This record gives sequence, structure tokens and C-alpha cells, in this order.
Amino acid sequence: DIQMTQSPSSLSASVGDRVTITCQASHDISKSLNWYQQKPGKAPNLLIYDASSLQTGVPSRFSGSGSGTEFTFAINNLQPEDIATYYCQQYDDLPITFGQGTRLEIK
Amino acid sequence: EVQLLESGGDLEQPGGSLRLSCAASGFTFSGYAMTWVRQAPGKGLEWVSAITQSGNATYYADSVKGRFSISRDNSKNTVYLLMNNLRADDTAVYYCAKGSLWGPKSPLDYWGQGTLVTVSS
Repeated sequence: DIQMTQSPSSLSASVGDRVTITCQASHDISKSLNWYQQKPGKAPNLLIYDASSLQTGVPSRFSGSGSGTEFTFAINNLQPEDIATYYCQQYDDLPITFGQGTRLEIK
Repeated sequence: EVQLLESGGDLEQPGGSLRLSCAASGFTFSGYAMTWVRQAPGKGLEWVSAITQSGNATYYADSVKGRFSISRDNSKNTVYLLMNNLRADDTAVYYCAKGSLWGPKSPLDYWGQGTLVTVSS
């Protein structure tokens, strides 16, 4: 199975900050990497697919980059509604695997 | 508008069985792979199972292989997850999610609201 190592596990930032989350794959997954946002009590929501493509309707302050084994997710100009847990997910091979999640809090 | 509505979650004893359903609308159901993902209380996301568009190929996580069975009825726009020999560590919210035209290895672009399965005596 492909292991996804996500960091940090939690972070706290202020409104207007730029925050970044990294995800490392145990094998080369090319660009088969997605990022999801999950708010408390809600289902996950796809934000970024294929490492860097913005899902329709997602604000442009969200972005993704990387390929191979190293990936980065960023939020520019952090907003209060961005409080959530963020997950990376690889789909290069089955089983699909997720990172352990990053819990984002607002200072 | 794409909608996925799960049902069938319940409290079940260890060793028991449950069948989850996910009714889809708003897209051509038969054209897309479907996936089940679960989330234990306070934990992260775990991929459980997936099925191709026609239903002729199915895939399972090792943790559920041999106990769970995924199926679909394209005439009813519904995907199912039959869960047998339930264990305490199967306790989770179960989400169904829509995959892509290309099969189970894909982004999951729409998710249901989830249905809670609790396994306890």
C-alpha cells in the first residue's frame, strides 16, 4: 500500500495568513494526489485534484503543487470559514490512501 | 445537482450484518465508479471499497476483505455495501462518494452526508 505522510498534524494561524501543508507519498504517484477539506460534522469536500487543479467552485486562495512523492497545499489570505481538517489522498494505486489529516485552527 | 443519500446505518452486535444503501441522483449513475469511505469517531478517512461503472469489478481494503461486499443496481441508481461479521472496529460514519469516468482510481468529487454504523454489544 502507498503510505501518505501529512504534516503538520495541526496548526494555528491568523486571518489573512498564508498556511501550507505538506504530504509525502511512500512511492512515486506522479500527480495522482487530491486535497479535501472536512468541516466538523460534515462530509469531505474536494478542493484540489491532480495535485494542482482547482475543483469547480473552490476559491482561488486554495492551491496545490508537487509531483512524484512531495506535495504542498496552501491557503492564501486565510479566512475564518477555512477552519477545518484537511486531508491529502493518493489515487495512483488501490487501495486509495489518505494522509492522517491536518487540523487548522484560527488564532 | 448531484446528490448522494446514504441509509442503513444502525447499532448492530458484533458478528452481525448490515446493508448500507446510497441513492444517487443528478448525474448519469451508470457512467461512474462509486466508492465507500469510512471515518471512525475522531479519526481520519479510510477507503473501504469501490466498484466499477458496470459492477463487474470490485475492490476492498484488506481490513474488510471477505466480510464486506459492494454492489450496485444501475436501474435504481443505488450502490450498496453489505457488511457481514461486523467487529467493534467497523464502528464509523460510512460515506459513499462518486468517482470518475475512468474507474475507481480517481478523485472523489461528490460525497453523501454519511450514515453511522455502531458495532457494540
